[in-house]
Amino acid sequence: GENVEQHPSTLSVQEGDSAVIKCTYSDSASNYFPWYKQELGKGPQLIIDIRSNVGEKKDQRIAVTLNKTAKHFSLHITETQPEDSAVYFCAAGRDGTVWREGGKLIFGQGTELSVKP
Amino acid sequence: GAGVSQSPSNKVTEKGKDVELRCDPISGHTALYWYRQSLGQGLEFLIYFQGNSAPDKSGLPSDRFSAERTGGSVSTLTIQRTQQEDSAVYLCASSLRPPPRTDTQYFGPGTRLTVL
Repeated sequence: GENVEQHPSTLSVQEGDSAVIKCTYSDSASNYFPWYKQELGKGPQLIIDIRSNVGEKKDQRIAVTLNKTAKHFSLHITETQPEDSAVYFCAAGRDGTVWREGGKLIFGQGTELSVKP
Repeated sequence: GAGVSQSPSNKVTEKGKDVELRCDPISGHTALYWYRQSLGQGLEFLIYFQGNSAPDKSGLPSDRFSAERTGGSVSTLTIQRTQQEDSAVYLCASSLRPPPRTDTQYFGPGTRLTVL
């Protein structure tokens, strides 16, 4: 079935360093790839997303790259800050052909990022 | 504007009892999703609503789980005869534009269910 693998499960970096989280997906029809940040006791919050018609997207310190051939995508956080510490989830989804299809997201297992001051 | 809200925030119940979890989506969002997050795990899709219809129930783990949505807005997830393995955080999300195009999903804070 559909599957998303996420690595690493934990990541510790020094403030100011970069952090990279990688995901691979199994469904070749996937065309939507969001990244969510989840802080303790809160619901996931979208931080960036990318569609399969582009290979890279940036938003300030955050960037996502997509390699459709290899079926993997990555989140890059530069100049990390302590407030970036959280659990990050990647997900993959695909558009359906009719209204009753599509929408469902398949999530990775999460990466706990710790940024040390 | 208000985000997705869920109630209760925490629910402790005894094995064998029924529970109801509520989700209020963002006003105007036509699509609504339920996910389950077990301790230290990713999110697991349960069910999706478009309006009051549930075209995709593929993620419901057993027939003890059911959900409904009324008025194209509020949704209730019901778990009958709860088991300890049902303990998890149940998350609701809504999106403005409905499938078939996959749109940004906005999540609520979740309901933490503990079955003793």
